[in-house]
Amino acid sequence: NAGVTQTPKFQVLKTGQSMTLQCAQDMNHEYMSWYRQDPGMGLRLIHYSVGAGITDQGEVPNGYNVSRSTTEDFPLRLLSAAPSQTSVYFCASSYSGTHNEQFFGPGTRLTVL
Amino acid sequence: AQTVTQSQPEMSVQEAETVTLSCTYDTSESDYYLFWYKQPPSRQMILVIRQEAYKQQNATENRFSVNFQKAAKSFSLKISDSQLGDAAMYFCAYRSDNDMRFGAGTRLTVKP
Repeated sequence: NAGVTQTPKFQVLKTGQSMTLQCAQDMNHEYMSWYRQDPGMGLRLIHYSVGAGITDQGEVPNGYNVSRSTTEDFPLRLLSAAPSQTSVYFCASSYSGTHNEQFFGPGTRLTVL
Repeated sequence: AQTVTQSQPEMSVQEAETVTLSCTYDTSESDYYLFWYKQPPSRQMILVIRQEAYKQQNATENRFSVNFQKAAKSFSLKISDSQLGDAAMYFCAYRSDNDMRFGAGTRLTVKP
């Protein structure tokens, strides 16, 4: 199993550009989520999905869109990048249920100039 | 809103000694889980230990144990017999339903 994979590992954007961060998992997990990690702030939940076709907002959803057309994939879209979105982005997945361990991808470091 | 606070930005421990990392949280929920994650320089998030709010007994995983005080909303992590490989950022996390909150982290240094 590859676990949770994320692409790209690094990305530099200019303000106003759009891009999609890819996330895929091969563990048949129902729950998938996106976090951003900023210095001194830990990880903050952006969006999450409890299954194909179902998404919801987390703590910091503004400026990001998600969709979940398959169980395996959960892309994160930045429609118009801003410098405030410079961060490290993590995708995670788990089986449904609060007690289940979330498995994290390796992260994407995004810089918006 | 639920919040998680780690009041120790940095901690240091001598190899083979014991160290305790602090975490407090705020919630009005009755059913939730608490987690400690480790993030080494590789950036990979690794689950260390988890605790169910309904369980009185403190969780233990080898050299890692927690002190869970539900009334005080406190969830500290104790690392015994510290090893050089324990050096990392440690994050306390709270999960209830689909909401997950992390603390700001504690950077642990292990001195040989």
